[in-house]
Amino acid sequence: SQELEQSPQSLIVQEGKNLTINCTSSKTLYGLYWYKQKYGEGLIFLMMLQKGGEEKSHEKITAKLDEKKQQSSLHITASQPSHAGIYLCGADRETSNTGKLIFGQGTTLQVKP
Amino acid sequence: DTAVSQTPKYLVTQMGNDKSIKCEQNLGHDTMYWYKQDSKKFLKIMFSYNNKELIINETVPNRFSPKSPDKAHLNLHINSLELGDSAVYFCASSGGAGINQPQHFGDGTRLSIL
Repeated sequence: SQELEQSPQSLIVQEGKNLTINCTSSKTLYGLYWYKQKYGEGLIFLMMLQKGGEEKSHEKITAKLDEKKQQSSLHITASQPSHAGIYLCGADRETSNTGKLIFGQGTTLQVKP
Repeated sequence: DTAVSQTPKYLVTQMGNDKSIKCEQNLGHDTMYWYKQDSKKFLKIMFSYNNKELIINETVPNRFSPKSPDKAHLNLHINSLELGDSAVYFCASSGGAGINQPQHFGDGTRLSIL
């Protein structure tokens, strides 16, 4: 089983609709990162969440980390075709200085015009 | 302007060959990484280097040998390529190896083994 579980695995929404992607861990997360990947390109860093209950926003994307630091959600408001891609959550699972990140399996988002 | 750049972007070669992928970052970061993304898009760390020193080696076959000539470069050499090595390889860098250090990724190298 994955150490980080993302749901749903894929999502098709109509342009203008809101959507939420979840990232769940069975263990405490020391840092949570959201990335977006477009086909044929690298991962684009979106946001980092560190503290339980923290919430950050960038344009129409909002990410939250729950109080127990075991689940994060990514919410997109009024989705646009430019939001399409694969969204990945990554997490620090250790406090050692290795930089090791664990990633979820990704959520593929399609936005229909 | 590219922060983390990898070359080549595509690599098609035959089984048994030896190939290298280069990575450079101009962000002034101390830590660099190699990841492998399989056909199911699952991203897994292979190596990380901090100031040219190896700090993570995730049980990768010894056919894979990273080399860091300086902290801005981390190259990946692969010997005796196998079919299972087909994947997208990503280079990344971060300011440090501690927690809460966002990693910045290159565009990937798509390796196909014939």
